Amino acid sequence: DTGVSQNPRHKITKRGQNVTFRCDPISEHNRLYWYRQTLGQGPEFLTYFQNEAQLEKSRLLSDRFSAERPKGSFSTLEIQRTEQGDSAMYLCASGRGSGGANVLTFGAGSRLTVL
Amino acid sequence: GNSVTQMEGPVTLSEEAFLTINCTYTATGYPSLFWYVQYPGEGLQLLLKATKADDKGSNKGFEATYRKETTSFHLEKGSVQVSDSAVYFCALSWGNQFYFGTGTSLTVIP
Repeated sequence: DTGVSQNPRHKITKRGQNVTFRCDPISEHNRLYWYRQTLGQGPEFLTYFQNEAQLEKSRLLSDRFSAERPKGSFSTLEIQRTEQGDSAMYLCASGRGSGGANVLTFGAGSRLTVL
Repeated sequence: GNSVTQMEGPVTLSEEAFLTINCTYTATGYPSLFWYVQYPGEGLQLLLKATKADDKGSNKGFEATYRKETTSFHLEKGSVQVSDSAVYFCALSWGNQFYFGTGTSLTVIP
């Protein structure tokens, strides 16, 4: 069990550029979640996958955001035409089971700074 | 809807002091409840959980009891250490969805 891995850990970009984050979950976990965390706030749900199917998306996930999980393994979160308001920590978590057995394991996060 | 409210910080305590961080929840059913901890520069880590009413979750000297009558899941520790300095998040899960509080920052001074 190598945990949840996220790359890059920190991305600095100029407004209007596209960025992509990658998450490698724990291999036995069939669920994968993306959250956004800003300073002083808790994680805010963006989207989640069960295997390769994207089952739910938050209203926070505007048209500029897209997430994929091909083959139910790693996932990518792409932000197009970045805005300064996109600056945040993007957290990936994976889990399995249901109810109280569905415990999330988080990665260390990818911090985005939009200049 | 489902939501979690936890006490605002920051909280500053001296080493060996007693800790309580309050958490209350609103849920449409009977959720599972969690406390996660985030150390500086790291991701969130599960601290403890409880899956039904009156369950007590415990880990590393921390405890929390699932109180359905008061819809609460307060975190307690009898004697905090400097190494407990971190941000603590209360969370609930319902179905496959998780809802987090805003976090409470704890600083323990020697």
